[in-house]
Amino acid sequence: EVQLVESGGGLVQPGRSLRLSCAASGFNFGDYAMSWFRQAPGMGLEWVGFIRGRAYGGTTQYAASVKGRFSISRDDSKSIAYLQMNSLKTEDTAVYYCTKGYYYMDVWGKGTTVTVSS
Amino acid sequence: EIVLTQSPGKLSLSPGERATLSCRASQSVSSRYLAWYQQKPGQAPRLLIYGASNRATGIPDRFSGSGSGTDFTLTISRLEPEDFVVYYCQQYGSLGITFGQGTRLEIK
Repeated sequence: EVQLVESGGGLVQPGRSLRLSCAASGFNFGDYAMSWFRQAPGMGLEWVGFIRGRAYGGTTQYAASVKGRFSISRDDSKSIAYLQMNSLKTEDTAVYYCTKGYYYMDVWGKGTTVTVSS
Repeated sequence: EIVLTQSPGKLSLSPGERATLSCRASQSVSSRYLAWYQQKPGQAPRLLIYGASNRATGIPDRFSGSGSGTDFTLTISRLEPEDFVVYYCQQYGSLGITFGQGTRLEIK
């Protein structure tokens, strides 16, 4: 069964950092791009960024709202994708989802909640 | 970036009726990179349609997608009670990924 499980969410103060993980199973992880999305309470879906698979050099692309603060990496040997979030702001409060793919997202994790508050 | 505008924002229909949801792009989108998702309360989105018109695995055939260029449509031919949730269109382009603001289907 193809599965994605996010972890690492929680309550963090503004200006601090947090790293989310996304553990994948059931598919050849290294062959696929992995994306991160978020959804603030009561709001729509927002793209955060993605990292391409090894055939495309693992290159990354980010939304303007997080560029320079967030970074995505991957460990293909462990089938884990990471979202490193620095200089967090209150407006980064959301449920964060990792997904397989980037043209379209056919597998989603259940999400992990990040709350940025003092 | 490409802005996707979904209409209507809310659609009130009855079970058994046909639903037509629109997604209009601010500039042309390759059909290959247009997708539709369904999101139920408290759950992650689920892929319904990719490549503008291809049903994802396990999606009932009452869901269909069409369109090209700047105008795309998701049609649900006969609404079931579980279909009354929120739907998003999404595109991928050189500047990244954007979503429409969503259409909420509610029971009339």
